[in-house]
Amino acid sequence: DIQMTQSPSSVSASVGDRVTITCRASQGISTWLAWYQQKPGKAPNLLIYAASSLQRGVPSRFSGSGSGTDFTLTISSLQPEDFATYYCQQANSFPLTFGGGTKVEIK
Amino acid sequence: EVQLVESGGGLVQPGGSLRLSCAASGFTFSSYSMIYVRQAPGKGLEWVSYISPSGSTIFYADSVKGRFTISRDNAKNSLFLQMNSLRDEDTSVYYCARDDSTGQEFLDYWGQGTPVTVSS
Repeated sequence: DIQMTQSPSSVSASVGDRVTITCRASQGISTWLAWYQQKPGKAPNLLIYAASSLQRGVPSRFSGSGSGTDFTLTISSLQPEDFATYYCQQANSFPLTFGGGTKVEIK
Repeated sequence: EVQLVESGGGLVQPGGSLRLSCAASGFTFSSYSMIYVRQAPGKGLEWVSYISPSGSTIFYADSVKGRFTISRDNAKNSLFLQMNSLRDEDTSVYYCARDDSTGQEFLDYWGQGTPVTVSS
């Protein structure tokens, strides 16, 4: 199974800050990676697919990069509605696996 | 508008069974693979099962293999997860999700989730 390791597990930031979250795969997954945002009590929401493609309707302040084993999600200017937990997910092979999550909290 | 509406969750004793349903609308259900993902209280996301558009290809996580069965009724735009021999560790919110049409398993629409509690 492919293990997905996210860091940090939590980050405190202020509105307007640039936030970067990293995700590392235990083996190469090309660009078969997605990022999701989840708010408390809600279902996850797809932000980025294929490592760097922005899902329709997602604000352009979200961006993704990387290939192989190392990936990043960047929020260029944090907005109040962005405080949430973010997960990466590999789509290279079954079993599909998710990172442990990164909680973005208000500083 | 794409909608996935889940039902069937609840409280069940260890060893018991539940059948989850996911009603799809707003898209051609028979053209999309579907997936179940679960989330234990306060924990992260765990993939549970996958079914191809025709139902001919199915995968399960090792943690549920032999106990859970995924199925679909394309005529009724519905997805199902039959859960047998339930254990305490199956307690989670269960989400159905649509596998997008890129050929890889990116989950572009999710249901609201249905909670399953396994407890005596």
